[in-house]
Amino acid sequence: GNSVTQMEGPVTLSEEAFLTINCTYTATGYPSLFWYVQYPGEGLQLLLKATKADDKGSNKGFEATYRKETTSFHLEKGSVQVSDSAVYFCALSLTRGKLIFGQGTELSVKP
Amino acid sequence: DSGVTQTPKHLITATGQRVTLRCSPRSGDLSVYWYQQSLDQGLQFLIQYYNGEERAKGNILERFSAQQFPDLHSELNLSSLELGDSALYFCASSVLDRGNTEAFFGQGTRLTVV
Repeated sequence: GNSVTQMEGPVTLSEEAFLTINCTYTATGYPSLFWYVQYPGEGLQLLLKATKADDKGSNKGFEATYRKETTSFHLEKGSVQVSDSAVYFCALSLTRGKLIFGQGTELSVKP
Repeated sequence: DSGVTQTPKHLITATGQRVTLRCSPRSGDLSVYWYQQSLDQGLQFLIQYYNGEERAKGNILERFSAQQFPDLHSELNLSSLELGDSALYFCASSVLDRGNTEAFFGQGTRLTVV
């Protein structure tokens, strides 16, 4: 079946550190890939997306590249801030727009 | 603010009861999705409506049902509630129902069954 696997959290980093959150997927067909972020007490917000192989999504300093050969969509940021502390979800969508989510990775950034 | 409105924000009810969660999508969005977020199951897709018609079904229990009305708002009905139904229920909306379409999420309804 279709699924998404993320690295387990929590991830704790110091401010200005480099961030990588690994995400791999299994899908029949050619999915679109997404990263959503959930701040405490809020709903999910789209962070970035990529709709075909080799596409790079980017937003607010975060980047992820759709790698079909490794079925991956790893999230990276060069220098994290305390305000980036949140839960990050990798997701895929094949048809109809319904999302299949990974389990989420909690990020905590310390000053 | 995503533009998606969910009410109520919090709901506490007893086992065996029935509740209705309401979602107003962003203006112009035709597609509405319901998701359940719990500690043990994570974020699970429940059901999708597009312009009033059911389009896709996920892991939705038979005790749960949903509908989308002509004004495009949607309601999720949960009946014969059990302790395990306690979760955060999210509604999301999008303009289309294609795989590459961005979905906008509401802030959720936290349901506690006691």
